[in-house]
Amino acid sequence: RKEVEQDPGPFNVPEGATVAFNCTYSNSASQSFFWYRQDCRKEPKLLMSVYSSGNEDGRFTAQLNRASQYISLLIRDSKLSDSATYLCVVGHNDMRFGAGTRLTVKP
Amino acid sequence: GAVVSQHPSWVICKSGTSVKIECRSLDFQATTMFWYRQFPKQSLMLMATSNEGSKATYEQGVEKDKFLINHASLTLSTLTVTSAHPEDSSFYICSASELAGAVGRETQYFGPGTRLLVL
Repeated sequence: RKEVEQDPGPFNVPEGATVAFNCTYSNSASQSFFWYRQDCRKEPKLLMSVYSSGNEDGRFTAQLNRASQYISLLIRDSKLSDSATYLCVVGHNDMRFGAGTRLTVKP
Repeated sequence: GAVVSQHPSWVICKSGTSVKIECRSLDFQATTMFWYRQFPKQSLMLMATSNEGSKATYEQGVEKDKFLINHASLTLSTLTVTSAHPEDSSFYICSASELAGAVGRETQYFGPGTRLLVL
């Protein structure tokens, strides 16, 4: 079993749609959780950290479920500019990346 | 946010040459830096964890004699690909950790990456 697993997609959604991604992790001792966004041929950029209580940043909401060992990212009112690959990152002593979920938002 | 630079951004070299990539944290000190490799349409793969003043920790399957890592200071880590071959062509990305609060909640900031093409 991979340490961090994501549905690779692609997710193709119309503008304005709400889309959600899940990411499962295998190490129950993991302490830090992040969502990164990676545009084509660019480096990953931090989108948001994921806290136990869940957190929201504008149209983006991240949640952590320790019991089931997954994190989620919800994007509301999706924009064309949201098209990217979203990487789930889970950390304990080092950072482990999911393979990424590709999102394409269409007009 | 914290800034990490990488140099060079592009390298094209002949097979058998060595290539050195620098990773710098510009406005913070990074006791730990990470080196990743990403092949087209694949996820980032951690190659090694670099700690200032000590030997790097390599992931399974990564040859430490081929990928030399030197973490000379709290703001600089270098990756040298020795005797590069076409199969080493990839996107190499470094990241540096900035401790944000509790241990284990470090945020990683990535350099812009270095594209290596070995002919």
